[in-house]
Amino acid sequence: DAGVIQSPRHEVTEMGQEVTLRCKPISGHNSLFWYRQTMMRGLELLIYFNNNVPIDDSGMPEDRFSAKMPNASFSTLKIQPSEPRDSAVYFCASATGEAYEQYFGPGTRLTVT
Amino acid sequence: KQEVTQIPAALSVPEGENLVLNCSFTDSAIYNLQWFRQDPGKGLTSLLLIQSSQREQTSGRLNASLDKSSGRSTLYIAASQPGDSATYLCASFEGVFGAGTILRVKS
Repeated sequence: DAGVIQSPRHEVTEMGQEVTLRCKPISGHNSLFWYRQTMMRGLELLIYFNNNVPIDDSGMPEDRFSAKMPNASFSTLKIQPSEPRDSAVYFCASATGEAYEQYFGPGTRLTVT
Repeated sequence: KQEVTQIPAALSVPEGENLVLNCSFTDSAIYNLQWFRQDPGKGLTSLLLIQSSQREQTSGRLNASLDKSSGRSTLYIAASQPGDSATYLCASFEGVFGAGTILRVKS
């Protein structure tokens, strides 16, 4: 299996621009998580989906952030408009089964100037 | 809401030493607890997962335990090697992570 796939791996954008991050979970996994990692705040859960339905989005920082999962094999995290404080590494993870073990993607390093 | 803390924040040991990393959580009704390793600039690699019905899990030189009553999990690394140098994170099922322990194993 290819594991969790994220794109792009790096994104540099200017303040005010729209940013879309993409994630393909491991085939057969029914849960998907979006995290943000910064030096100051560590790893924070933004949102998680179960069977394509958002279950907990309490970690989404502001209305500028939105996430969708139109099908079991694809999810997006969108930031509009982006701000410099959004600069971070964004990780996607997927899980399934009774154990619910999470597998992480390589992350997208976002820099907003 | 579940809170997860890890101590120590950093640890430096000579090669060959056995060591223990600690993880504490506030809600004893924990579904599972997962240990990860993160190398600098990289993603997270799952090491061990302990379900609430289990007390420990082992993989090679790693052993993780879970004590729900005391709200603690420990990761034991036997005969540490320089290649074990990384940040170790624990996380609850709800996606709540500790701040991590930065481990350096000196050769």
